[in-house]
Amino acid sequence: DTGVSQNPRHKITKRGQNVTFRCDPISEHNRLYWYRQTLGQGPEFLTYFQNEAQLEKSRLLSDRFSAERPKGSFSTLEIQRTEQGDSAMYLCASSLAGNSYGYTFGSGTRLTVV
Amino acid sequence: AQKVTQAQTEISVVEKEDVTLDCVYETRDTTYYLFWYKQPPSGELVFLIRRNSFDEQNEISGRYSWNFQKSTSSFNFTITASQVVDSAVYFCAHLGGSNYKLTFGKGTLLTVNP
Repeated sequence: DTGVSQNPRHKITKRGQNVTFRCDPISEHNRLYWYRQTLGQGPEFLTYFQNEAQLEKSRLLSDRFSAERPKGSFSTLEIQRTEQGDSAMYLCASSLAGNSYGYTFGSGTRLTVV
Repeated sequence: AQKVTQAQTEISVVEKEDVTLDCVYETRDTTYYLFWYKQPPSGELVFLIRRNSFDEQNEISGRYSWNFQKSTSSFNFTITASQVVDSAVYFCAHLGGSNYKLTFGKGTLLTVNP
């Protein structure tokens, strides 16, 4: 098991374009989380899944954002009509439900909207 | 709502100095967990320590030590005899009894100069 994998590592896109990121969690983890980290800030919660069900979405997740986790395995986060304010590091993490040891984080996808 | 405050935005020390990173939290949970993560320039979040709200014992791991005081809602992190490799952003985080949402502080950028 190589941990949580995120692709791509970096993405540069023009304003108005759509982008999609992928996260592959640790295989036995049933929870998957997305966080966003802007420059000089700590990561902020966006959404999480337990298996394939999306159980909570932060108010930070506007209607231009959509996340899926088909079959409870990998997850995708799509941003439509990107804006410069979407530039950030998008972090994925996974855990076992009820495991209070927190999460295993991936290395993140750094999005730059120009 | 939970809140984590890391008042020190940046700290710069010379190698071999001791340094303490402060963390103060606010919570309404009776059961909760506190974490420290290290984020090197590569971007991934590296787990360092977890404490639960019922265990106020201080902990030492090599050059790292943690002081948890519920009376002052603080969970401070000390690095003894700092090294250049300790240079990173350090985040304190809170996980509530629901066990799914980590709340991070804004982080402290530690620079250890040779």
